[in-house]
Amino acid sequence: KAGVTQTPRYLIKTRGQQVTLSCSPISGHRSVSWYQQTPGQGLQFLFEYFSETQRNKGNFPGRFSGRQFSNSRSEMNVSTLELGDSALYLCASSLGYTSSYEQYFGPGTRLTVT
Amino acid sequence: AQSVTQLGSHVSVSEGALVLLRCNYSSSVPPYLFWYVQYPNQGLQLLLKYTSAATLVKGINGFEAEFKKSETSFHLTKPSAHMSDAAEYFCAVIVGDMRFGAGTRLTVKP
Repeated sequence: KAGVTQTPRYLIKTRGQQVTLSCSPISGHRSVSWYQQTPGQGLQFLFEYFSETQRNKGNFPGRFSGRQFSNSRSEMNVSTLELGDSALYLCASSLGYTSSYEQYFGPGTRLTVT
Repeated sequence: AQSVTQLGSHVSVSEGALVLLRCNYSSSVPPYLFWYVQYPNQGLQLLLKYTSAATLVKGINGFEAEFKKSETSFHLTKPSAHMSDAAEYFCAVIVGDMRFGAGTRLTVKP
């Protein structure tokens, strides 16, 4: 089976712009979670989607949003980018709820905000 | 709140030496616990997981971890370090969503 894929792998944006990141889960996986990784804050949970519904959300401002499509592919959007949004954004998929199933991570999208 | 604490942001060992990476969790109930490894410019790879079936958990690449409820610990060990083990290691716990420790960077000296 193909693993979790994330596009694009690298992205450079300017403050104030918005960005959309994409994640394709492993075939058959219905749950997709997103994480932000920075040197200062480490790995932080953004949100989890299961069957097109947001099941859980981390402590991030409303500028961060996401959605999941019927084929389980997911996108996350960050509006009005700030310098502090520069990070590696990781997507993970699992068969079911992350509370019960192990997660498989993609390689990440490295976002740089200038 | 449920969390994990990794003791030591950097650990350096010689090739062939024992690897010990420490993780303590805070929980009032038996948690789901995980160890992940991250190589440069890559995502996280699952090393092993504890789900209350057995206290000693064996993972990939020769790693294992022991769940000790009395010490609220889930330390990761490997008897003999290889150069290829150099990476960042994360302990994580799930209650609802997944919470990661700050990570421990392992350096292996030749």
